[in-house]
Amino acid sequence: GENVEQHPSTLSVQEGDSAVIKCTYSDSASNYFPWYKQELGKGPQLIIDIRSNVGEKKDQRIAVTLNKTAKHFSLHITETQPEDSAVYFCAASIKGSARQLTFGSGTQLTVLP
Amino acid sequence: ETGVTQSPTHLIKTRGQQVTLRCSSQSGHNTVSWYQQALGQGPQFIFQYYREEENGRGNFPPRFSGLQFPNYSSELNVNALELDDSALYLCASSLGGSSGANVLTFGAGSRLTVL
Repeated sequence: GENVEQHPSTLSVQEGDSAVIKCTYSDSASNYFPWYKQELGKGPQLIIDIRSNVGEKKDQRIAVTLNKTAKHFSLHITETQPEDSAVYFCAASIKGSARQLTFGSGTQLTVLP
Repeated sequence: ETGVTQSPTHLIKTRGQQVTLRCSSQSGHNTVSWYQQALGQGPQFIFQYYREEENGRGNFPPRFSGLQFPNYSSELNVNALELDDSALYLCASSLGGSSGANVLTFGAGSRLTVL
């Protein structure tokens, strides 16, 4: 089955700096890659996603890049703010597999004021 | 538009007991997925329901079972609870079955503690 690895497990940045989280996946049949933000006591919230026919997608301060050949994708957050502090998860899914998401192990992002 | 709601938010059970967790899907969504999130880990797929039938299952034993009702709400049942079942159980709804859009909207979860 699919395996998703996520790095780093913890990341601290100064407010205003950029943060980058990286994930790799194992199954070349994966074609959908969402990123979720989970705050304490809440469920994961989708922040951005990308499909395998696109190499990059941007939404304001958040961007995701996908390298299908290398089977890795990354989340980029620019101009970080304290409210960006949370656990971020990457995930991957294969079309036709009931859209089952395989999640990475998460990155605890702390934005220091 | 209401989001995904789950109940109860917290519960404590003892080993060997049975538990039922409930989920109301987001308005307009017809597919429900359940995930188990152990402390400090990413969510793991348990199963998905579409049109009241199981439509995909992860690597979980048969003592994990579920139902989906005509109004698209869902239940997760776990029999013969084990200590390792202690986790946050997340329900997510989406529109479409196996070939539909797979943007999941998660609820806040039910925190199960097994003693």
